[in-house]
Amino acid sequence: DAGITQSPRYKITETGRQVTLMCHQTWSHSYMFWYRQDLGHGLRLIYYSAAADITDKGEVPDGYVVSRSKTENFPLTLESATRSQTSVYFCASSGSANYGYTFGSGTRLTVV
Amino acid sequence: GQNIDQPTEMTATEGAIVQINCTYQTSGFNGLFWYQQHAGEAPTFLSYNVLDGLEEKGRFSSFLSRSKGYSYLLLKELQMKDSASYLCAVSIQAGTALIFGKGTTLSVSS
Repeated sequence: DAGITQSPRYKITETGRQVTLMCHQTWSHSYMFWYRQDLGHGLRLIYYSAAADITDKGEVPDGYVVSRSKTENFPLTLESATRSQTSVYFCASSGSANYGYTFGSGTRLTVV
Repeated sequence: GQNIDQPTEMTATEGAIVQINCTYQTSGFNGLFWYQQHAGEAPTFLSYNVLDGLEEKGRFSSFLSRSKGYSYLLLKELQMKDSASYLCAVSIQAGTALIFGKGTTLSVSS
Protein backbone atom coordinates (compact mmCIF):
# COMPACT_ATOMS: atom_id res chain seq x y z
CA ASP A 1 0.00 0.00 0.00
CA ALA A 2 1.23 3.45 -0.88
CA GLY A 3 1.66 5.96 1.89
CA ILE A 4 3.10 6.13 5.36
CA THR A 5 2.32 3.46 7.90
CA GLN A 6 3.06 3.17 11.59
CA SER A 7 3.00 0.06 13.71
CA PRO A 8 1.73 -0.89 16.12
CA ARG A 9 -1.33 1.36 16.47
CA TYR A 10 -1.58 0.65 20.18
CA LYS A 11 1.05 -0.61 22.60
CA ILE A 12 1.13 -1.18 26.34
CA THR A 13 4.52 -1.84 27.86
CA GLU A 14 6.06 -1.96 31.29
CA THR A 15 8.50 0.49 32.79
CA GLY A 16 12.06 -0.40 31.92
CA ARG A 17 11.25 -2.40 28.80
CA GLN A 18 12.68 -1.56 25.40
CA VAL A 19 10.09 -0.88 22.74
CA THR A 20 10.41 -0.01 19.06
CA LEU A 21 7.87 1.92 17.05
CA MET A 22 7.99 1.38 13.32
CA CYS A 23 7.46 3.84 10.49
CA HIS A 24 7.50 2.98 6.80
CA GLN A 25 6.87 5.23 3.78
CA THR A 26 6.58 4.28 0.12
CA TRP A 27 7.25 7.65 -1.57
CA SER A 28 11.04 7.64 -1.19
CA HIS A 29 10.73 10.94 0.68
CA SER A 30 14.06 12.24 1.90
CA TYR A 31 12.79 13.66 5.17
CA MET A 32 11.23 11.71 8.01
CA PHE A 33 10.23 12.90 11.47
CA TRP A 34 9.12 11.61 14.84
CA TYR A 35 6.85 13.74 17.02
CA ARG A 36 5.08 13.04 20.27
CA GLN A 37 1.76 14.64 21.11
CA ASP A 38 0.63 15.26 24.66
CA LEU A 39 -2.23 17.29 26.10
CA GLY A 40 -1.04 20.79 26.86
CA HIS A 41 2.14 20.42 24.82
CA GLY A 42 1.05 19.89 21.26
CA LEU A 43 3.39 18.17 18.82
CA ARG A 44 7.00 18.08 19.95
CA LEU A 45 9.85 16.91 17.73
CA ILE A 46 11.87 13.96 18.98
CA TYR A 47 14.20 13.23 16.05
CA TYR A 48 14.28 13.81 12.34
CA SER A 49 16.24 12.53 9.37
CA ALA A 50 17.16 14.33 6.15
CA ALA A 51 18.30 11.16 4.36
CA ALA A 52 19.43 7.61 5.02
CA ASP A 53 22.14 7.53 7.71
CA ILE A 54 21.54 11.20 8.61
CA THR A 55 19.62 11.94 11.81
CA ASP A 56 19.34 14.92 14.12
CA LYS A 57 17.88 15.61 17.54
CA GLY A 58 14.74 17.58 18.09
CA GLU A 59 13.28 19.26 21.16
CA VAL A 60 12.77 16.13 23.31
CA PRO A 61 15.30 13.41 22.29
CA ASP A 62 16.27 12.05 25.71
CA GLY A 63 15.43 8.38 26.18
CA TYR A 64 14.91 7.76 22.47
CA VAL A 65 17.11 6.29 19.74
CA VAL A 66 16.56 6.35 15.98
CA SER A 67 18.19 4.81 12.97
CA ARG A 68 17.70 5.14 9.26
CA SER A 69 19.58 2.51 7.31
CA LYS A 70 17.02 2.59 4.47
CA THR A 71 15.22 5.62 3.06
CA GLU A 72 11.78 4.10 3.60
CA ASN A 73 12.13 3.12 7.27
CA PHE A 74 12.63 5.24 10.37
CA PRO A 75 12.17 3.23 13.58
CA LEU A 76 12.02 4.90 16.99
CA THR A 77 13.29 2.95 20.00
CA LEU A 78 12.62 3.70 23.64
CA GLU A 79 15.62 2.16 25.32
CA SER A 80 14.08 1.84 28.78
CA ALA A 81 10.49 3.03 28.81
CA THR A 82 9.30 5.40 31.52
CA ARG A 83 5.76 6.51 32.42
CA SER A 84 6.55 10.00 31.15
CA GLN A 85 6.91 8.48 27.68
CA THR A 86 3.22 7.56 27.64
CA SER A 87 2.04 9.54 24.62
CA VAL A 88 0.78 9.42 21.05
CA TYR A 89 3.68 9.15 18.62
CA PHE A 90 3.41 10.41 15.07
CA CYS A 91 5.79 9.71 12.24
CA ALA A 92 5.77 12.02 9.22
CA SER A 93 7.56 12.24 5.89
CA SER A 94 8.17 14.95 3.32
CA GLY A 95 10.02 15.49 0.10
CA SER A 96 11.54 18.56 1.74
CA ALA A 97 11.64 20.02 5.24
CA ASN A 98 9.65 22.95 3.87
CA TYR A 99 6.89 21.01 2.17
CA GLY A 100 3.70 19.87 3.82
CA TYR A 101 4.28 16.78 5.89
CA THR A 102 2.23 13.62 5.57
CA PHE A 103 1.65 11.99 8.92
CA GLY A 104 1.15 8.37 9.77
CA SER A 105 -1.89 7.31 11.79
CA GLY A 106 0.04 7.40 15.05
CA THR A 107 0.96 4.93 17.78
CA ARG A 108 -0.69 5.28 21.15
CA LEU A 109 1.87 4.07 23.70
CA THR A 110 1.06 3.47 27.34
CA VAL A 111 3.86 2.73 29.80
CA VAL A 112 2.65 1.12 33.03
CA GLY B 1 13.70 29.62 22.53
CA GLN B 2 11.02 29.34 19.90
CA ASN B 3 7.51 30.51 20.73
CA ILE B 4 4.29 29.92 18.79
CA ASP B 5 1.02 31.05 20.35
CA GLN B 6 -2.55 30.14 19.45
CA PRO B 7 -5.80 30.36 21.41
CA THR B 8 -6.55 27.08 23.15
CA GLU B 9 -10.23 26.84 22.28
CA MET B 10 -12.80 28.56 20.07
CA THR B 11 -16.49 27.98 19.42
CA ALA B 12 -18.64 28.95 16.46
CA THR B 13 -21.94 28.08 14.81
CA GLU B 14 -22.64 26.40 11.49
CA GLY B 15 -22.52 28.76 8.53
CA ALA B 16 -20.44 31.35 10.37
CA ILE B 17 -16.89 32.58 9.72
CA VAL B 18 -14.11 32.02 12.24
CA GLN B 19 -10.56 33.36 12.36
CA ILE B 20 -7.86 31.44 14.24
CA ASN B 21 -4.82 33.54 15.05
CA CYS B 22 -1.22 32.46 15.40
CA THR B 23 1.68 34.61 16.56
CA TYR B 24 5.27 33.46 16.46
CA GLN B 25 8.61 34.56 17.85
CA THR B 26 11.30 32.37 16.37
CA SER B 27 15.01 32.58 15.68
CA GLY B 28 14.36 32.39 11.94
CA PHE B 29 11.51 32.13 9.47
CA ASN B 30 11.24 30.03 6.34
CA GLY B 31 7.48 29.50 6.07
CA LEU B 32 4.29 28.93 8.07
CA PHE B 33 1.97 25.95 7.83
CA TRP B 34 -1.54 25.18 9.02
CA TYR B 35 -2.71 21.64 9.77
CA GLN B 36 -6.10 20.23 10.71
CA GLN B 37 -6.40 17.37 13.18
CA HIS B 38 -9.65 15.60 14.00
CA ALA B 39 -9.85 13.86 17.36
CA GLY B 40 -7.98 10.55 17.35
CA GLU B 41 -6.56 11.11 13.89
CA ALA B 42 -3.34 12.33 12.29
CA PRO B 43 -2.80 15.97 11.34
CA THR B 44 -3.45 16.79 7.68
CA PHE B 45 -1.89 19.65 5.72
CA LEU B 46 -4.11 22.67 5.02
CA SER B 47 -1.98 25.56 3.83
CA TYR B 48 1.47 27.07 3.48
CA ASN B 49 2.53 30.76 3.51
CA VAL B 50 6.02 32.00 2.89
CA LEU B 51 5.29 35.50 1.54
CA ASP B 52 3.07 38.18 3.09
CA GLY B 53 -0.55 38.13 2.08
CA LEU B 54 -3.57 35.93 1.76
CA GLU B 55 -3.68 32.41 0.29
CA GLU B 56 -7.17 31.18 -0.53
CA LYS B 57 -8.15 27.56 -0.93
CA GLY B 58 -11.88 26.98 -1.11
CA ARG B 59 -13.54 27.71 2.25
CA PHE B 60 -10.15 28.06 3.93
CA SER B 61 -7.77 31.03 3.66
CA SER B 62 -4.50 31.73 5.41
CA PHE B 63 -2.82 35.08 5.92
CA LEU B 64 0.76 35.95 6.83
CA SER B 65 2.49 39.10 8.03
CA ARG B 66 6.19 38.40 8.51
CA SER B 67 6.94 41.85 9.97
CA LYS B 68 4.35 41.27 12.72
CA GLY B 69 5.10 37.58 13.26
CA TYR B 70 1.43 36.89 12.71
CA SER B 71 -0.78 34.55 10.75
CA TYR B 72 -4.42 33.62 10.75
CA LEU B 73 -6.52 30.83 9.33
CA LEU B 74 -9.97 31.91 8.13
CA LEU B 75 -12.71 29.32 7.82
CA LYS B 76 -15.88 30.33 5.98
CA GLU B 77 -19.32 28.70 5.83
CA LEU B 78 -18.51 26.55 8.83
CA GLN B 79 -19.72 22.97 8.84
CA MET B 80 -19.97 20.50 11.70
CA LYS B 81 -17.11 18.51 10.17
CA ASP B 82 -14.82 21.51 10.72
CA SER B 83 -14.83 20.72 14.44
CA ALA B 84 -11.17 19.80 14.95
CA SER B 85 -7.86 21.10 16.24
CA TYR B 86 -5.97 23.53 14.02
CA LEU B 87 -2.20 23.53 14.32
CA CYS B 88 0.07 26.41 13.36
CA ALA B 89 3.66 25.38 12.52
CA VAL B 90 6.75 27.38 11.59
CA SER B 91 9.80 26.40 9.59
CA ILE B 92 12.67 28.39 11.07
CA GLN B 93 15.35 27.29 8.60
CA ALA B 94 15.56 25.37 5.37
CA GLY B 95 16.36 21.74 6.06
CA THR B 96 15.09 21.69 9.64
CA ALA B 97 11.88 20.31 11.03
CA LEU B 98 8.67 22.25 11.68
CA ILE B 99 7.94 23.63 15.12
CA PHE B 100 4.28 23.35 16.09
CA GLY B 101 2.09 25.50 18.29
CA LYS B 102 -0.12 23.75 20.83
CA GLY B 103 -3.14 23.94 18.58
CA THR B 104 -6.60 25.53 18.71
CA THR B 105 -9.61 23.28 19.30
CA LEU B 106 -12.58 24.55 17.31
CA SER B 107 -16.09 23.39 18.20
CA VAL B 108 -18.83 24.04 15.65
CA SER B 109 -22.42 23.81 16.87
CA SER B 110 -25.71 23.85 15.01
